[in-house]
Amino acid sequence: QKEVEQNSGPLSVPEGAIASLNCTYSDRVSQSFFWYRQYSGKSPELIMSIYSNGDKEDGRFTAQLNKASQYVSLLIRDSQPSDSATYLCAVNWNSGGYQKVTFGIGTKLQVIP
Amino acid sequence: ETGVTQSPTHLIKTRGQQVTLRCSSQSGHNTVSWYQQALGQGPQFIFQYYREEENGRGNFPPRFSGLQFPNYSSELNVNALELDDSALYLCASSLPSRGYTFGSGTRLTVV
Repeated sequence: QKEVEQNSGPLSVPEGAIASLNCTYSDRVSQSFFWYRQYSGKSPELIMSIYSNGDKEDGRFTAQLNKASQYVSLLIRDSQPSDSATYLCAVNWNSGGYQKVTFGIGTKLQVIP
Repeated sequence: ETGVTQSPTHLIKTRGQQVTLRCSSQSGHNTVSWYQQALGQGPQFIFQYYREEENGRGNFPPRFSGLQFPNYSSELNVNALELDDSALYLCASSLPSRGYTFGSGTRLTVV
């Protein structure tokens, strides 16, 4: 059973701080990794994708991937109250000839003004 | 506007009834996936359709079924509804290896 694990939180950070969200996955052959943001009562929104080891930056967001450790993280710099949401880690892998995406439980982030 | 439209937005059904949820995905996106998200949980994969055929399925019973049509629309059908089927149902299009675009979801409540 392929698994994606996240701490459900809540993770509380003060406004302006760096929020660090972590995720581990169980399958070494996973190819694509994603972070989604989900506001309460809304559907998930793709904010970052990463496909190779290292860092990928997009504005205040940085995704980090370490395939050897089966670990992916998301850093949010200068956190804002509007960043308060649940962040879902998702991993894509081949499953019986098709591409399947598995999600973690999500980490709830609270940015305190 | 995500380009993926789901209907209805909310739905209340009685246990034992049947329900059909609909999704209209972006033109050219011939892969559609359906997910169930219970409160406080991550989305759980139900099944995926590619060019009108189911090509992947999660751990859901056969009473969960679907269809995909040539016009990039799709349906999720659930028979014999149970209380535990109460959840947000999400339709997603685009290539899974490039990240999903989700619709706004259908909130189903079974009473």
